[in-house]
Order: sequence, then C-alpha cells, then structure tokens
Amino acid sequence: RKEVEQDPGPFNVPEGATVAFNCTYSNSASQSFFWYRQDCRKEPKLLMSVYSSGNEDGRFTAQLNRASQYISLLIRDSKLSDSATYLCVVGESASGGSYIPTFGRGTSLIVHP
Amino acid sequence: EAQVTQNPRYLITVTGKKLTVTCSQNMNHEYMSWYRQDPGLGLRQIYYSMNVEVTDKGDVPEGYKVSRKEKRNFPLILESPSPNQTSLYFCASRGAYEQYFGPGTRLTVT
Repeated sequence: RKEVEQDPGPFNVPEGATVAFNCTYSNSASQSFFWYRQDCRKEPKLLMSVYSSGNEDGRFTAQLNRASQYISLLIRDSKLSDSATYLCVVGESASGGSYIPTFGRGTSLIVHP
Repeated sequence: EAQVTQNPRYLITVTGKKLTVTCSQNMNHEYMSWYRQDPGLGLRQIYYSMNVEVTDKGDVPEGYKVSRKEKRNFPLILESPSPNQTSLYFCASRGAYEQYFGPGTRLTVT
C-alpha cells in the first residue's frame, strides 16, 4: 500500500519566521510530486510542483530527495495569510503517461502576529 | 473560467435514502476523481476515472458508485447512505499536472 506521511503539526510560528515541512513517501517508483494548500473548509489548491532540481516561487522553496524518499517545503518570511494546511501529493505512473495521486494528511501551519 | 462545480454544496439526509452528488468540469480533462475528507484522516480517494466509461476504485469505494458517461460529468451515487458516510466530499479533475477541486459537498447522514 502506497504511503505518504506528514507531520500533522500544528506548526505555530511568528510572522517573519522561516518554517519547513517534510513529507515522506513509500513508493520509490513515484514520479510526480506536489504541494497543495488548503484553507479551512475550502478546497485544496496547487501551491507548487516539486522537481528533481528543486524549485522556488517567491518565499516558497520545494525540494525533492529521491534517495531518502522525501519532499520538503520551506516558507521564508511567514505571513499571517500563510496560515493553512499544506498537503503533500505524490503521483504514481499510470497508463498513457498519466499518474494517480496520493495525498498526505496535511501539515497545519499557524502564523501569529 | 476554468472550474469544477459540485451540487449540492450542503445536504442533510436520512439513512437509506439514495442520493447523487453531481460534478462537472469545463476544462475537457480526462481524469476525474472523488475524495472524502474526514478529521485526522486527510483526503481519501473514493473512485477515479481515467476517461469516459473507464472508472476504478480508490482507497475507500465501499458504499459508493460512480459513472462517467460524458467527459465533463462524474456523479457520485450513494445508493443507501449510512451515518459513517457523513463527510466532506470533493470532486476533482486533472490536466497534465494540476488537480482542480470543486468547492466541496458537506454531507450529513442521520
């Protein structure tokens, strides 16, 4: 059974802090990796894809470590509006070049003044 | 505007009364799926569909049915709802990478 594990938190940090989340996955053949953000009682939305070379989008940096089978999300200069649940998603290849996603249970972030 | 719509958004029903939650997307995506989300358990996939007339079970398919007769629609059917199906349900469709989620359906079965 494919597993995607996240620390549920909550991570409680002050504004301006740097915070990092990890997510581990069990299937070494996984091909696609993403971070989604979910606000309370709302639908998840894509935050960023995670590439082998790592990628950065403003204050957010995502990394992939295939050898240790984990992905990470780093948030710099935290804002109050970053408070949300961050979901790790790992995709396994399926027929036709597609993939089947598995979601982690999410990590809760609370940024306080 | 690219979107996934679900109806109804809120539903309170009684045990055993058949119901259907509709899902529609306007992005011409082939892949669609249904999830349920419960506190402490995260998002769990119920069913998914790779294309029209192609559906497969996800992690928690018991008590649910789906159909995919057209590319844009993927309804979720509860033939005989039970209280343990009280949950928040999300429909999603996916393009090359990104999944787009509907706004969610909060279902209560009494």
